[in-house]
Amino acid sequence: QSVLTQPPSASGTPGLRVTISCSGSSSNIGSNTVNWYQQLPGAAPKLLIYTNDQRPSGVPDRFSGSKSGTSASLAISGLQSEDEADYYCAAWDDSLNGPVFGGGTKLTVL
Amino acid sequence: QLQLQESGPGLVKPSETLSLTCTVSGGSINSRSYYWGWIRQPPGKGLEWIGGIYYNGFTYQNPSLKSRITLSVDTSNNHFSLKLSSVTAADTAVYYCARRNIDVVPAAMGWFDSWGQGTLVTVSS
Repeated sequence: QSVLTQPPSASGTPGLRVTISCSGSSSNIGSNTVNWYQQLPGAAPKLLIYTNDQRPSGVPDRFSGSKSGTSASLAISGLQSEDEADYYCAAWDDSLNGPVFGGGTKLTVL
Repeated sequence: QLQLQESGPGLVKPSETLSLTCTVSGGSINSRSYYWGWIRQPPGKGLEWIGGIYYNGFTYQNPSLKSRITLSVDTSNNHFSLKLSSVTAADTAVYYCARRNIDVVPAAMGWFDSWGQGTLVTVSS
């Protein structure tokens, strides 16, 4: 059971937009920033979004993040086949005194 | 370009100690802007933070694993290590080392910006 809650799966057709939600509590998302990681099949996670809505260099602007209260969302527009991956949200948890992750969402591009 | 590489046995017997080292190249461990973490991923499951260590030896550890974890850092050789004692089958996972950027205020708002490729450790007799 992960501290942050994500839907186990999501899907979309090429070119369209998909969003992935991440729900937490006042001790994590409610009081700290959210990061998102992309894990392609067989690979290590890669930083996708940091500080709620910032993209590292090299990450396409098709990826965007937002946060409101104790929830966060990752949006992917102009969906491409190479976006098929697992996506994880993460945030610092003040109770744990460490970072916590969501259970991951497997994105399928139909 | 920064690279992290995990190394260690791929098979550990139950009740024994898992030992892994992460060698950092292309950058120095000796930096106040980062801490060096361990994250694991059981087969087919999600990510779990294990702990992390600063260049000066200060550590953060997941409370659920704290009694079994030993973290160390060797700034001279630019590597850091994890020992997990009394392992069981539940500790079977891909273990990743990663750099956490803490050059923000407060540092808790940091993020893991560089990851190793991961190493599978299986606990089995």
